[in-house]
Amino acid sequence: KAGVTQTPRYLIKTRGQQVTLSCSPISGHRSVSWYQQTPGQGLQFLFEYFSETQRNKGNFPGRFSGRQFSNSRSEMNVSTLELGDSALYLCASSWAGGPYEQYFGPGTRLTVT
Amino acid sequence: QKEVEQDPGPLSVPEGAIVSLNCTYSNSAFQYFMWYRQYSRKGPELLMYTYSSGNKEDGRFTAQVDKSSKYISLFIRDSQPSDSATYLCAMSETGANNLFFGTGTRLTVIP
Repeated sequence: KAGVTQTPRYLIKTRGQQVTLSCSPISGHRSVSWYQQTPGQGLQFLFEYFSETQRNKGNFPGRFSGRQFSNSRSEMNVSTLELGDSALYLCASSWAGGPYEQYFGPGTRLTVT
Repeated sequence: QKEVEQDPGPLSVPEGAIVSLNCTYSNSAFQYFMWYRQYSRKGPELLMYTYSSGNKEDGRFTAQVDKSSKYISLFIRDSQPSDSATYLCAMSETGANNLFFGTGTRLTVIP
């Protein structure tokens, strides 16, 4: 089985712009979660989608949003980028539930200048 | 105070040494305890998980959970240079998929 794929792998944006990141889960997986990883804060949960519905949301501002399509692929969007949004954005997929069943992609490295 | 605390290291050991990695947490509702390994430029890879208290062994790796102390550990026996990576602990409540991570401990095993 192919693993979780994320595109693009690297991205450079300017403050104030918006960005869309994409995640393709493992075939058959219906849950996709997004995390932000920074050196200071580590990995922090952004949100989880299951069957096209947001099932859980972390403590991030409304500039961070996401969606999931009928084929389970997911996108996350960050509007009005700030310097502090520079991070590695990881998505993880799982079949249905079980926090121990999440498989992570390689991440998208976002740099905001 | 973060819900999960982990000593960031870095930790440097000679090949063959026993490595002990630890995390503490404050949320008594955590029931699932995971250890992930992350190599440079890669996403985290699940090593082991434990439900509730107890020990779990998998090859050279042993995970321990002490819920009374809110303390979890990962032991690596006969450490190898290929074990050099960042190790992340993660925890979750029952019925929730959102994981709470420690900041990670960077381990280097010297040949």
